[in-house]
Amino acid sequence: DVKVTQSSRYLVKRTGEKVFLECVQDMDHENMFWYRQDPGLGLRLIYFSYDVKMKEKGDIPEGYSVSREKKERFSLILESASTNQTSMYLCASSLTGVGSYEQYFGPGTRLTVT
Amino acid sequence: QQQVKQSPQSLIVQKGGISIINCAYENTAFDYFPWYQQFPGKGPALLIAIRPDVSEKKEGRFTISFNKSAKQFSLHIMDSQPGDSATYFCAAPNNAGNMLTFGGGTRLMVKP
Repeated sequence: DVKVTQSSRYLVKRTGEKVFLECVQDMDHENMFWYRQDPGLGLRLIYFSYDVKMKEKGDIPEGYSVSREKKERFSLILESASTNQTSMYLCASSLTGVGSYEQYFGPGTRLTVT
Repeated sequence: QQQVKQSPQSLIVQKGGISIINCAYENTAFDYFPWYQQFPGKGPALLIAIRPDVSEKKEGRFTISFNKSAKQFSLHIMDSQPGDSATYFCAAPNNAGNMLTFGGGTRLMVKP
């Protein structure tokens, strides 16, 4: 059974803290994604990685960075957390090419920044 | 940049009724349009997808209808059940075909 795991289900951080969200997939997928989910706004792509050490900005990259040192692991970093980054964060992975439309999602991390 | 507009934002249907969710996209050079289903506390999961060489795809009670000229596609859930209560997202690929743009989501509630 395919699996994407995220390091925390719930996280509470203070404004200005550096926050790391970790994601691991066991499917040997090339592509990995970070989204944030907010009511009425759907899933918005923060960053996309198509290979180790490779990344592309998504629709809302401001205030975030990412790291992919190993194929199975993709980290999202909030350099200095702000209250407007309070959200649900979802990690996903997929194959490349024809299989790329089928993304496998983790359960999400609900981050609250106070 | 791809944009996907999804409606309605929320939907209440009686058990046994038909649920209909609509999506419109702007432009894409690629040819697949997936729908994802998300239950509370879970990540979204692929429900059904269509390639626009066909105008309709059916899997059990779920049907996607596609209108390429209008750049619209819709999800129909026949004989809706309380277990179908979830949030549904449509998506369209970007012009490079390596990312998906998701609609805003539709929260469906099926009343017993």
